[in-house]
Order: sequence, then C-alpha cells, then structure tokens
Amino acid sequence: DQQVKQNSPSLSVQEGRISILNCDYTNSMFDYFLWYKKYPAEGPTFLISISSIKDKNEDGRFTVFLNKSAKHLSLHIVPSQPGDSAVYFCAASVGTFSNAGGTSYGKLTFGQGTILTVHP
Amino acid sequence: EAGVTQFPSHSVIEKGQTVTLRCDPISGHDNLYWYRRVMGKEIKFLLHFVKESKQDESGMPNNRFLAERTGGTYSTLKVQPAELEDSGVYFCASSPTFDGPFEAFFGQGTRLTVV
Repeated sequence: DQQVKQNSPSLSVQEGRISILNCDYTNSMFDYFLWYKKYPAEGPTFLISISSIKDKNEDGRFTVFLNKSAKHLSLHIVPSQPGDSAVYFCAASVGTFSNAGGTSYGKLTFGQGTILTVHP
Repeated sequence: EAGVTQFPSHSVIEKGQTVTLRCDPISGHDNLYWYRRVMGKEIKFLLHFVKESKQDESGMPNNRFLAERTGGTYSTLKVQPAELEDSGVYFCASSPTFDGPFEAFFGQGTRLTVV
C-alpha cells in the first residue's frame, strides 16, 4: 500500500508559466511534508517543506500548499525555468515524541516522482 | 563542508556474489538513513541509524541485507548473496538531531546491477 502518491508521472510546461505538481497521502499521522528535486545521476536535493500546522510555505519561486482535510499537497513553481527540469518527489514524515521531550522525525515516505520538463 | 558521500557510484555483480556499499554522512549528523529506488519507482526506506544504533529497520527486505554503522560515523550496507531483484539505486542520507523536523541530505547514490 502506497501511502504517498504522485499520480502524474510527467508534466510539460512552457518557460515562464506556472508548474503545479500534486501529491496525495493516506496516512493521517504524517505531520511534515517535503519536496525533493532530483537530476539524473544525482541524489535528491531538498527543495521546500511544510509542517502540518501550516497551509502554505513560500520560498522564492517555490510555494507548497497543504490541504489536510483532502490529504493533498501541491508544489507551485512560478515562473518555471528550463533548469527546473528534473524529477520531483513528494515525501512525508511522522513526528514522534522523544525521550528528551521534543519531537523527532525519522524515515521519509516518498511518492513515485513526477518528471517535470520546462521547454524554452 | 563535504556532503553525503557514497562509494562506489556503480557496481555490477553476478547473482550470488556479495557487495558492500559505503556511506559517509555529513560530519556531526547523528541520523543516517538508507533508501533504495528500484526501476524508476518511488524511493523506499530501508533503515535508520541514530549514531551507531539501529532506530528503525522496518524497510529491510530480508536477512540478505546487513547494515552497520561503525562508531556512529560511516555506514556500510552489505548484500549477501545478491539476487536480481536487488538491482536499483541505493541512497544514503543524513540529518542532524534537533528538536523538530529537519530535512535529510542525500548522497549521489550507488547504482547496483545484479546480473
């Protein structure tokens, strides 16, 4: 059973336009969500994250939206650039209370990835 | 500062042979993770070390896989004996220990091909 799903295997966008990548999850215990970008022959690189207590987080051209009731998050890239062409992975994590009294996070559960191609 | 480093970058072995993958995390990162991506599918969790202790090994496929983390520094992942379905890209990641979430930093991966 896949707890994090990216139902669009690929997305093609014109340079300068908006790219919207979607992600759905089923585990209501997830409380931290991340987007990673991956170029060929490289490891995933962290892009942006959002905690479940928020519904939006913005960092430059990248904005992540979280809809907890729908168990859905999306990544918006505006404006899209050819250098953004990569595989984008959505990931989620569950926080657990640590012995020290704080919250610790362990493994990430990833979606299948969406190949974004931005055309000049 | 050096990132997460993995050795080798590629490995081709025959079915039944043994392969050992190595990961050097970012210095000072207590958390070390192993993940695997098979055939362009999702990246799947294998296990999580906190320092030298295995915190979560729920993703390890079977007892042919053995992970160690010596002295809480580098980690090795041994596959013995390797099977065809073990082929894939093995990623290592590390993160510091802070209260609250922190993104994991990934290495470039080791592409393992079992023939």
